[in-house]
Amino acid sequence: AQRVTQPEKLLSVFKGAPVELKCNYSYSGSPELFWYVQYSRQRLQLLLRHISRESIKGFTADLNKGETSFHLKKPFAQEEDSAMYYCALRGNTPLVFGKGTRLSVIA
Amino acid sequence: GAGVSQSPSNKVTEKGKDVELRCDPISGHTALYWYRQSLGQGLEFLIYFQGNSAPDKSGLPSDRFSAERTGGSVSTLTIQRTQQEDSAVYLCASSFLWDDTEAFFGQGTRLTVV
Repeated sequence: AQRVTQPEKLLSVFKGAPVELKCNYSYSGSPELFWYVQYSRQRLQLLLRHISRESIKGFTADLNKGETSFHLKKPFAQEEDSAMYYCALRGNTPLVFGKGTRLSVIA
Repeated sequence: GAGVSQSPSNKVTEKGKDVELRCDPISGHTALYWYRQSLGQGLEFLIYFQGNSAPDKSGLPSDRFSAERTGGSVSTLTIQRTQQEDSAVYLCASSFLWDDTEAFFGQGTRLTVV
């Protein structure tokens, strides 16, 4: 079965501090991992995907198959990063999402 | 349209009534997904359509929930005999292929059962 776990419901950090949003997954095959973000009053949208190994808005995420993790990181948080973040996995079934982490960046 | 469109944006219904939620995917997208978003539960997968294949209904929470997709385009999610626990935001998403990298989401329908 596919499962995504985001252990933190809420994460508060000060502006300029590093951010790490945790994501662990369960899947026996080779997964595709994603981070989606939902800003206030906006639609859920793709932030980044592990296969492209890109940095979007300063965020990066590395797939660690040994630890079955795909944590989202940013070295210096900005106020505009405040949003709801969802980790998602696609295996042999459609996208499965975690319960999300609300990031609050305090000025 | 330019994106996934859902209607209505908000729906208030009385317990026991049936409701229909509509989703217009991006033109040309063959994959369509329905999710339910509620506080503390994140995004719960409901049902998935891919082209002419049989839909994946594994996420539907009960037989009161059903969905159809006509002509490979518009989809309707129907909830019969609504209950208060059905109150949530229902999200629709579409992608070009089932294994396409990005799913594009609609703005959602907020359902409130009173």
